[in-house]
Amino acid sequence: KNEVEQSPQNLTAQEGEFITINCSYSVGISALHWLQQHPGGGIVSLFMLSSGKKKHGRLIATINIQEKHSSLHITASHPRDSAVYICAVSKTSYDKVIFGPGTSLSVIP
Amino acid sequence: EPEVTQTPSHQVTQMGQEVILRCVPISNHLYFYWYRQILGQKVEFLVSFYNNEISEKSEIFDDQFSVERPDGSNFTLKIRSTKLEDSAMYFCASGGGQAFFGQGTRLTVV
Repeated sequence: KNEVEQSPQNLTAQEGEFITINCSYSVGISALHWLQQHPGGGIVSLFMLSSGKKKHGRLIATINIQEKHSSLHITASHPRDSAVYICAVSKTSYDKVIFGPGTSLSVIP
Repeated sequence: EPEVTQTPSHQVTQMGQEVILRCVPISNHLYFYWYRQILGQKVEFLVSFYNNEISEKSEIFDDQFSVERPDGSNFTLKIRSTKLEDSAMYFCASGGGQAFFGQGTRLTVV
């Protein structure tokens, strides 16, 4: 069983739409990460969360520790948001990161 | 902003050859990691390194793989005798907690 699951696997949205990507995990964690991977492959860290909510520009990440669930929201989506969004967790500080399968997002003009 | 640097960005090698992938972690970090992503699959952990030794390795990280921090700044992944199935994107990361990833090295074994 995968320790980190994401839904949906693929998502197509019209420019301007509000987007939600969900992540659930089955292990105890010290931190949850949201990462972005563009075609060409580089990984960029968007958020690291251990509780509550964080916002950066049009991106919002929330986590519910009791339910072992996190969401990434994108407001006013734009074609440049098209990428793979990856949820990942760390069981302890300085532990390896365990990756989810990713959600491929395509935003159409 | 500090960043993890990987070289080369793309390497093509003949099956059976040795390759060394290089990484320059963020300077004050103490924990280092290598990950692998086969095309179309999720990113997988290979190995973590702390205090000049391996702290954890996955079952992927067999005897063909080794890691080294040869000079206090570089962190290298060596694949001794490459196989076709080693073709993947390899990511270096440093820190711990906060995930700082390099841009990756795309290894193609032909």
